[in-house]
Amino acid sequence: DIQMTQSPSSLSASVGDRVTITCRASQSIGTYLNWYQQKPGKAPKLLIYGTSSLQSGVPSRFSGTGSGTDFTLSISSLQPEDLATYYCQWSDSSFTFGPGTKVDL
Amino acid sequence: QMQLQESGPGLVKPSETLSLACTVSGGSINTYYWGWIRQPPGRGLEWIGYIYYTGSANYSPSLKSRVTISVDTSKNQFFLKLSSVTAADTAIYYCARYNYDVLSGWWFDPWGQGTLVTVSS
Repeated sequence: DIQMTQSPSSLSASVGDRVTITCRASQSIGTYLNWYQQKPGKAPKLLIYGTSSLQSGVPSRFSGTGSGTDFTLSISSLQPEDLATYYCQWSDSSFTFGPGTKVDL
Repeated sequence: QMQLQESGPGLVKPSETLSLACTVSGGSINTYYWGWIRQPPGRGLEWIGYIYYTGSANYSPSLKSRVTISVDTSKNQFFLKLSSVTAADTAIYYCARYNYDVLSGWWFDPWGQGTLVTVSS
């Protein structure tokens, strides 16, 4: 089974900072990688699918890159409403999620 | 816009069957794939399974022996049954639409708000 890891597990940043979260797959998954944002008490929300495709309605400060085993989610200028936990997901077969990265402000 | 809403008992006894429904509004269930994801309190996300509106289903290998997902197109609903539950099955259960294309793979959107199911006597 493909395992997904994320780093860091948590981070603290200030409004306006550039934030980068890394996701690593235990073997190559091409570009089959999604990112979700989950705010406290809410359902996860799709941010990016297929590594870099921004879901409709998601602010352009979010972007995704990568291929193979290494992927990144970037927030170009952190906003207060970005306080959340971010999950990567292998978008095939077992749909494995990463353990999450909690972003504090 | 399409919305999903989970419903069902919030408390299930150990060894019994957990049963949930997901009602789709704002669009027809007669396209796309539909499925379930769960999240134990304070923990990460786990994929459970999905179904096509025709009834063809696919389940997580770790839950396959206990899971059944079904669909009722006349009611625009799909369902989750998880048998022989234990405390380890206590979680928030989400339903979602599963989308696919060959370039991007699968993605889950939109999601229901989730429903907490507690397994306890």
